[in-house]
Amino acid sequence: EPEVTQTPSHQVTQMGQEVILRCVPISNHLYFYWYRQILGQKVEFLVSFYNNEISEKSEIFDDQFSVERPDGSNFTLKIRSTKLEDSAMYFCASSVNRNNEQFFGPGTRLTVL
Amino acid sequence: KNEVEQSPQNLTAQEGEFITINCSYSVGISALHWLQQHPGGGIVSLFMLSSGKKKHGRLIATINIQEKHSSLHITASHPRDSAVYICAVRFNFGNEKLTFGTGTRLTIIP
Repeated sequence: EPEVTQTPSHQVTQMGQEVILRCVPISNHLYFYWYRQILGQKVEFLVSFYNNEISEKSEIFDDQFSVERPDGSNFTLKIRSTKLEDSAMYFCASSVNRNNEQFFGPGTRLTVL
Repeated sequence: KNEVEQSPQNLTAQEGEFITINCSYSVGISALHWLQQHPGGGIVSLFMLSSGKKKHGRLIATINIQEKHSSLHITASHPRDSAVYICAVRFNFGNEKLTFGTGTRLTIIP
């Protein structure tokens, strides 16, 4: 069964460093999402992406964040200068269209020291 | 404010018991998801529904649009059902993002 994959599973970085989190959505899906979950808190929406542009973003998704679909399979989230408070689990998700079920990847645990 | 509330926050039950987890939301939605999160952190989609009832194995999800309420039921619960169950909704604003509840931590004791 097709699934969303994410790499790496765990990333440790120093504050101020750039990180890129990678996702491979399900191949026939057109909508892509990033969510994050700070330890002990609920999952929060970051950004949705469709047709090679951002469809919607939350107030969390400031200028330090960017997303890209560099080729036909990958979907990336870049954090330019990481802060301690960026430590969280980051989930990628994809759906066939905006009204369909979203399927989640296993997550990347980001630790900023 | 567009919110999603779940109850209870924590639930401990004996193996075999019938489990009910509740979700309520503040304004109209186009869809509601029930998700399962295991201790490793990964999220699995259980159901997406916009009306009525869905069943998959021992899991049943119902939604009452007028009451703005959904329930997730687990019949004949088993220790492997132990996980955090999360309700997430897509509000009626013409966008696709999900808004999540805080989750219900379910522990099934053998």
